Amino acid sequence: GENVEQHPSTLSVQEGDSAVIKCTYSDSASNYFPWYKQELGKGPQLIIDIRSNVGEKKDQRIAVTLNKTAKHFSLHITETQPEDSAVYFCAARTGTASKLTFGTGTRLQVTL
Amino acid sequence: GAGVSQSPSNKVTEKGKDVELRCDPISGHTALYWYRQSLGQGLEFLIYFQGNSAPDKSGLPSDRFSAERTGGSVSTLTIQRTQQEDSAVYLCASSLVKVGELFFGEGSRLTVL
Repeated sequence: GENVEQHPSTLSVQEGDSAVIKCTYSDSASNYFPWYKQELGKGPQLIIDIRSNVGEKKDQRIAVTLNKTAKHFSLHITETQPEDSAVYFCAARTGTASKLTFGTGTRLQVTL
Repeated sequence: GAGVSQSPSNKVTEKGKDVELRCDPISGHTALYWYRQSLGQGLEFLIYFQGNSAPDKSGLPSDRFSAERTGGSVSTLTIQRTQQEDSAVYLCASSLVKVGELFFGEGSRLTVL
């Protein structure tokens, strides 16, 4: 089955700096890659996603890039703000499979 | 308004007891998922329901775990003879379609003493 690895497990940046979180996946048939943000005491919430026919997608301060050859994808957050502090999960889905396979999460802390 | 609702939010039980966790998905969502989140771990897939199709139970860790979804809406995850390693946050999510965005509830935190 699919295996998703995520790095780093923790990341601390100063407010205004950029943050990058990286994930690799194992199944070359995976075609959908969402990113979820989980705030303390809440369930994860989708923040951006990308499909395998696209190399990059942006939404304001966040962007995701996908390298299908290398089987890795990354989340980029620019001009970080304290409210960006949360745990971020990458995930992958293979074809029309029912489940998303998640990475182990990255705890991002944005310091003032 | 209506997000995904889970109950109880917290459950403390003794080893060997049975527990039931409930999930009320967003109205109209045909797909329903259960995931488990253990400390320091990612989200571990447990089971998936889609409409009237047979559920995908491939993630259930043992036969002590079972789930049902009644009337295509509310779902109950049952853990029999709980063990300490079952301690985790159990997250339910629903989706409008099979490969759509997952909307998660806030989870049920289970502690097995």
